[in-house]
Amino acid sequence: EPEVTQTPSHQVTQMGQEVILRCVPISNHLYFYWYRQILGQKVEFLVSFYNNEISEKSEIFDDQFSVERPDGSNFTLKIRSTKLEDSAMYFCATTTGEETQYFGPGTRLLVL
Amino acid sequence: DQQVKQNSPSLSVQEGRISILNCDYTNSMFDYFLWYKKYPAEGPTFLISISSIKDKNEDGRFTVFLNKSAKHLSLHIVPSQPGDSAVYFCAATRGGNKLTFGTGTQLKVEL
Repeated sequence: EPEVTQTPSHQVTQMGQEVILRCVPISNHLYFYWYRQILGQKVEFLVSFYNNEISEKSEIFDDQFSVERPDGSNFTLKIRSTKLEDSAMYFCATTTGEETQYFGPGTRLLVL
Repeated sequence: DQQVKQNSPSLSVQEGRISILNCDYTNSMFDYFLWYKKYPAEGPTFLISISSIKDKNEDGRFTVFLNKSAKHLSLHIVPSQPGDSAVYFCAATRGGNKLTFGTGTQLKVEL
């Protein structure tokens, strides 16, 4: 069964450093999302992406964040200058356009 | 922003019995609701969903009920199995866009 994959599974970085989180969507999926879950809190929407453009973004998704699909397969989330409060699990989700979104296993980001 | 709420942080059920997980929402524009199951250090796994035009959807041991007038949905698992032990998230969407999640309910199915 096709799956969404994410790399790396874990990332430890120093505050102020840039990180890039990668996602490989299910092959026929066209809509892509990033969510995050801070430890002990609920899963929160960050951004949605379709047709090489951001469709919607939350107030969390400020100028430090960016997304792109550089090569037609990977979907990336970049955090330019990480802060302590960016420590969280980051999940990629994809869909064909239907309501059901399929999630990857997540990247655990720890900012020191 | 508490548009989707799961008021029970945890639930303990004996194996073979029914598990009922509840979810309330406040935004009447939501038109599709989903349940996800999540194990520690893994991503949410889609379980079952329901459109706002229906009041029930069943898939094997899992049934979701929707009461639009009360803005309430529930997930029934019958019979519960130890492998069902996980965190269950209710999520809602409008027009197939972003998902808004509840805070989750930790289900423990005991032998």
